[in-house]
Amino acid sequence: GAVVSQHPSWVICKSGTSVKIECRSLDFQATTMFWYRQFPKQSLMLMATSNEGSKATYEQGVEKDKFLINHASLTLSTLTVTSAHPEDSSFYICSAREPQRAYNEQFFGPGTRLTVL
Amino acid sequence: GENVEQHPSTLSVQEGDSAVIKCTYSDSASNYFPWYKQELGKRPQLIIDIRSNVGEKKDQRIAVTLNKTAKHFSLHITETQPEDSAVYFCAASIRAAGNKLTFGGGTRVLVKP
Repeated sequence: GAVVSQHPSWVICKSGTSVKIECRSLDFQATTMFWYRQFPKQSLMLMATSNEGSKATYEQGVEKDKFLINHASLTLSTLTVTSAHPEDSSFYICSAREPQRAYNEQFFGPGTRLTVL
Repeated sequence: GENVEQHPSTLSVQEGDSAVIKCTYSDSASNYFPWYKQELGKRPQLIIDIRSNVGEKKDQRIAVTLNKTAKHFSLHITETQPEDSAVYFCAASIRAAGNKLTFGGGTRVLVKP
């Protein structure tokens, strides 16, 4: 149980275009999902917390108008990178928490590698 | 906010030896401390975790210790094998703060056969 999927697994786009990444909890309902960004040879940095039915909470320094997050259902959160530029190229990973679990464990998606040309 | 520091950044050990990675955290309200193993291009995999009401936890060759007073926790891998080679991350979270995970900088472990 507790499987999280992401789509696409990799994407290449031209500078100035927008890219949407989907994060799904496959066998549980996730009221909260998290989006991380990981640059090569670096750690995971939390970008935002996605809450079902409400606005996402962004970490300091993350542009909410550039990284649009929508959590329209209990099993799906999407991250849209708007007007992508080469510096947005990174590995984007989502995670979800299963509310029924008593502790804080998060389940990670497989990640999406974004390359902006 | 929470700050997690991890040492060392790289660790090379001989197969069969032990590996120890240490992390410190800044917020005394942190109550959950997971450790992840990440292979290149893959998702982080939870290998062990510990909650603040426990001082030590062991799972086969892997153990984690937590010192709440000093605000540090450590990962111990015994009898290392080449397949243990990966990047390891520690993290800390606070339930009352929405369970956000703050990650350490990572340790690249190389187990030499």
